[in-house]
Amino acid sequence: GAGVSQSPSNKVTEKGKDVELRCDPISGHTALYWYRQSLGQGLEFLIYFQGNSAPDKSGLPSDRFSAERTGGSVSTLTIQRTQQEDSAVYLCASSRGGISSYEQYFGPGTRLTVT
Amino acid sequence: SQQGEEDPQALSIQEGENATMNCSYKTSINNLQWYRQNSGRGLVHLILIRSNEREKHSGRLRVTLDTSKKSSSLLITASRAADTASYFCATDFTGGGNKLTFGTGTQLKVEL
Repeated sequence: GAGVSQSPSNKVTEKGKDVELRCDPISGHTALYWYRQSLGQGLEFLIYFQGNSAPDKSGLPSDRFSAERTGGSVSTLTIQRTQQEDSAVYLCASSRGGISSYEQYFGPGTRLTVT
Repeated sequence: SQQGEEDPQALSIQEGENATMNCSYKTSINNLQWYRQNSGRGLVHLILIRSNEREKHSGRLRVTLDTSKKSSSLLITASRAADTASYFCATDFTGGGNKLTFGTGTQLKVEL
């Protein structure tokens, strides 16, 4: 079946511009996560959506970052007024439920470069 | 930081040898997961081990968990060149609010 998809795969933007990154989770998965991975580093948690519950935004690094999940499916991560330190690979993952019980399936990521 | 830490940071072995990677963490956990990342396939889940389990197997993979030492190990037996990748442990720590905390990974290179 279809896995998690993300778009665009690559994004180059100028400092100060806004960007939107999209994630299409696996159909039926109620949980959706966004992570950021800088070069040679592990994954940094950003935000978590579970069903209709309020999202866990505790990992968002600043108020320039926001995310939405519409209709319990597609999610968009928005970064406003991008900075060079925002350059990273942004990964989306989905799972059937809370991570205590289920594995996460990751998308291929969006590589963001801020010039 | 409650991040898991993998050891070693990098490991180079010959095909057919076994590879062992370790992960240490700082607080109590609900479960621990291992993931593999390579350029071809992105991040892929390998094994999930719960806090009340001590060992799990999946094909050539064996994971152990010692909650008293707050550590886990991933053993890959009879390694293959295709096992070349970065391996990450990720912990769901108690009270962490349903998010995984990833370590910085072990880069494994399996040479022919």
